[in-house]
Amino acid sequence: AQSVAQPEDQVNVAEGNPLTVKCTYSVSGNPYLFWYVQYPNRGLQFLLKYITGDNLVKGSYGFEAEFNKSQTSFHLKKPSALVSDSALYFCAAYTGRRALTFGSGTRLQVQP
Amino acid sequence: EADIYQTPRYLVIGTGKKITLECSQTMGHDKMYWYQQDPGMELHLIHYSYGVNSTEKGDLSSESTVSRIRTEHFPLTLESARPSHTSQYLCASSDSWGKETQYFGPGTRLLVL
Repeated sequence: AQSVAQPEDQVNVAEGNPLTVKCTYSVSGNPYLFWYVQYPNRGLQFLLKYITGDNLVKGSYGFEAEFNKSQTSFHLKKPSALVSDSALYFCAAYTGRRALTFGSGTRLQVQP
Repeated sequence: EADIYQTPRYLVIGTGKKITLECSQTMGHDKMYWYQQDPGMELHLIHYSYGVNSTEKGDLSSESTVSRIRTEHFPLTLESARPSHTSQYLCASSDSWGKETQYFGPGTRLLVL
């Protein structure tokens, strides 16, 4: 069975510091990998995705993610966190089945 | 912002009432989805559709039903609401051309008393 794991329920980081939100996947084949962000009382917003090619993917709002096939990881990163980055972050994978498989979500708190 | 809309945004209703949550998109996407999001944040797929007159149950068993009579419209209905249906419901759509990026509506937060 395919699955996506986000091992941290919450990540705390100080404003201006780099941030990392972790994601590992267990899927067959070559997955498409996604990151979404959810602000309070909102739906999910697409941040970035990896399909093929360069392992470093750049997305919206200065976020980037690194695909690591050997470690089956797709960690989300940002060089300098902003307080406004505080939100819920979801990693997801698609392998040709009917819909995306989502991780359980990670709450990012950026302290001023 | 994606062109996908959900109404109502918030709904408080009594037990036993019939409700319909509306979802529409103007992107011409063939695929549409309904997710239930519990207070612990996890998303659970409850229904999906590949196109008009195509609907399937998702991973999480749900007493709700859906219909897809028009490409742009994917309503979800609960015939008899119960407190256990209290949750946030998210609608999404994606194209069928291999990119599979899902675009989400703002959600409907349902409270059944």
